[in-house]
Amino acid sequence: DIQLTQSPSFVSASVGDRVTITCRASQETNNYLAWYQQRPGKAPKLLIHAAFTLQDGVPSRFSGSGSGTEFTLTISNLQPEDFATYYCQRLYDYEVIFGPGTTVDIK
Amino acid sequence: QVQLQESGPGLVKPSETLSLTCTVSGDSIRNNNYYWGWIRQPPGKGLEWIGSMYYRGVTVITYYNPSLKSRLAISVDSSKTQLSLKLTSVTATDTAMYYCGRLLRYSAAAVDSWGQGTLVTVSS
Repeated sequence: DIQLTQSPSFVSASVGDRVTITCRASQETNNYLAWYQQRPGKAPKLLIHAAFTLQDGVPSRFSGSGSGTEFTLTISNLQPEDFATYYCQRLYDYEVIFGPGTTVDIK
Repeated sequence: QVQLQESGPGLVKPSETLSLTCTVSGDSIRNNNYYWGWIRQPPGKGLEWIGSMYYRGVTVITYYNPSLKSRLAISVDSSKTQLSLKLTSVTATDTAMYYCGRLLRYSAAAVDSWGQGTLVTVSS
């Protein structure tokens, strides 16, 4: 089975911190990977697609990088509204796969 | 701006069929720059893709999660403004928030628009 893993699964951070989340794929494909933010009780929100393309309206403190099987989401200067769960996502042969999620909590 | 709105029963009995509708406004399901699909999230858990569709000419092409394929049907109504989901023989493990979404065909199906979601509980 094709899988995405995320690390860490949980991170405790403070406002102003820099947080990095890693997404690893069990199989290599193209360099398309998306990142989502989900706040409690809300639908997910697309932050980044194609590994590093910021979705319209998403603050520039969010950035994506990586290729092959390892990708990262970096949040610089963490803001109170950034405390949420983050998911990565890829497409394999028309099957959409989500990572298990990383929760960013307030220290 | 596209808007998606899920609707359907919030409670379904075990072994019965879960039926949901997604009403799309501000875009057309015929817009083949996008897939249109369903994603679900069991309470307290992560996201699971259910399935997607798009128009290739006049033909609807569907893709299903292999783990759900035998129980799943996604279709479009004749007005091309509503996307439907039918999941048969449901069990408690199908209890989840169900989201409708618009997926970028040319960016590996990234979901750029989401409905607010509808909670479906499977219970007798």
